[in-house]
Amino acid sequence: DIQMTQSPSSVSASVGDRVTISCRASQGIGSWLAWYQQKPGKAPRLLIYGASRLQSGIPSRFSGGGSGTDFTLTISTLQPEDSATYYCQQAKSFPLTLGGGTKVEIK
Amino acid sequence: EVHLVESGGGLVQPGGSLRLTCAASGFTFSDHYMDWVRQAPGKGLEWVGRIRNKAQSYTTEYAASVKGRFTISRDDSDNSLYLQMNSLKTEDTAMYYCGRDLISWGAAIDIWGQGTMVTVSS
Repeated sequence: DIQMTQSPSSVSASVGDRVTISCRASQGIGSWLAWYQQKPGKAPRLLIYGASRLQSGIPSRFSGGGSGTDFTLTISTLQPEDSATYYCQQAKSFPLTLGGGTKVEIK
Repeated sequence: EVHLVESGGGLVQPGGSLRLTCAASGFTFSDHYMDWVRQAPGKGLEWVGRIRNKAQSYTTEYAASVKGRFTISRDDSDNSLYLQMNSLKTEDTAMYYCGRDLISWGAAIDIWGQGTMVTVSS
C-alpha cells in the first residue's frame, strides 16, 4: 500500500498569512493526488485534484503543487473560514490512502 | 441540487451486521463510480471501498481492513448505493460517508453525504 505522510500535523497562523502543508507519498504517484478540507462535524470537501487542479467553486487562494512523491497545499492568504483539517489522498493505486491530516488553526 | 443522504447507521453488537444506504439525487447516478469512506471518532479519514459503474461491470475495490466482511453494491434504477457490513468489530465504529467520484478524473470524491454513525459495542 502507498503510505501518505502529512506535515506538520498542526499549524497555527494569523489571518492573511501564507500557509503551506506538505504531503509525501511512500512511492511515486505522478499527479494522482487530491486535497480535502474538513471542518468539525462536517463532511470533507474536495479542494484540489490532479495535484494542482482547483475544484469548481473553491477560492483561488488555495493551490496545489508537486508531483511524484512530494506535494504541497498552499493557502496564499489565510482567512478565518479556513480553520479546518486538511487531508491529502493518493489515487494512483488501490487501496486509496489518505494522509493523517493537518489541522490549521487561526491565531 | 446534487445530494447524497446516508441512512442505516446505529448501535450493533460485535459480530453483528448492518446495511447502510446512500440515496443519490440531482445527478445521473448511473454514470459515476461511488465510494464509502469512514472516520473513527477523533481520527482521520479512511477509504473503505469503491464500486464502479455498469460500463466497468460494477467492479469493486476494498480496503484490506474490511475485505471479506463488507460488500458494496448499487441499484442504478433506484439511485441507491449500499454497504453491507458483516462480522462487525469494535474498530469499525465510525462515521460512514458515501461519496461520488469526480467523473472527469475518477479518483477524487467531489460530492459527500452528511454521514451516518455506526457504533459497534456490546
